[in-house]
Amino acid sequence: DGGITQSPKYLFRKEGQNVTLSCEQNLNHDAMYWYRQDPGQGLRLIYYSQIVNDFQKGDIAEGYSVSREKKESFPLTVTSAQKNPTAFYLCASSADRGTGLSDTQYFGPGTRLTVL
Amino acid sequence: AQKITQTQPGMFVQEKEAVTLDCTYDTSDPSYGLFWYKQPSSGEMIFLIYQGSYDQQNATEGRYSLNFQKARKSANLVISASQLGDSAMYFCAMREPRNNDMRFGAGTRLTVKP
Repeated sequence: DGGITQSPKYLFRKEGQNVTLSCEQNLNHDAMYWYRQDPGQGLRLIYYSQIVNDFQKGDIAEGYSVSREKKESFPLTVTSAQKNPTAFYLCASSADRGTGLSDTQYFGPGTRLTVL
Repeated sequence: AQKITQTQPGMFVQEKEAVTLDCTYDTSDPSYGLFWYKQPSSGEMIFLIYQGSYDQQNATEGRYSLNFQKARKSANLVISASQLGDSAMYFCAMREPRNNDMRFGAGTRLTVKP
């Protein structure tokens, strides 16, 4: 089955620690995205990547870092610089490089991060 | 400025009835794409339907249809014959040519009553 996997489903972090959220897709999609969702709110873009070894900041990139060494993988690191990291994190991918208007984004199941 | 507005934080509908979820948007581009997603309590965002700004007809996908009124900048989602499994959060989103991402509204929580 083709799809997007995220791990872990739940993650607990102590203040001051960096944590890495995994996102893998086997859809052969070019573009991948990371979003953050806070309770009662929509999604906000953290980072996106249109091609391997390239990525761009979204609206709320501060305190986060990413890498895109392989087409199928786009891990997100939440660093200790992120002031309020407790949230639900969603990874998505799209077939084209995200430039087509109809380029639909497909999402993984999400990771819920809680800072203790 | 808010690009996507969903004015209904919560909606209730009786099972088997139709329901309309509102979405208005703001853009100066003549070309754009509009999307609706469903988010059940499990958290995953599920793509439902797409409407392009130049599409002549309103989009339909099974029980989902999009009431697209371009002049009013609205793209309301209509769910026909509601089912208990339709209970979820619903998000409207827009893509513009200048952006490589999508802008999401705050969502509407739909509850289907038996």
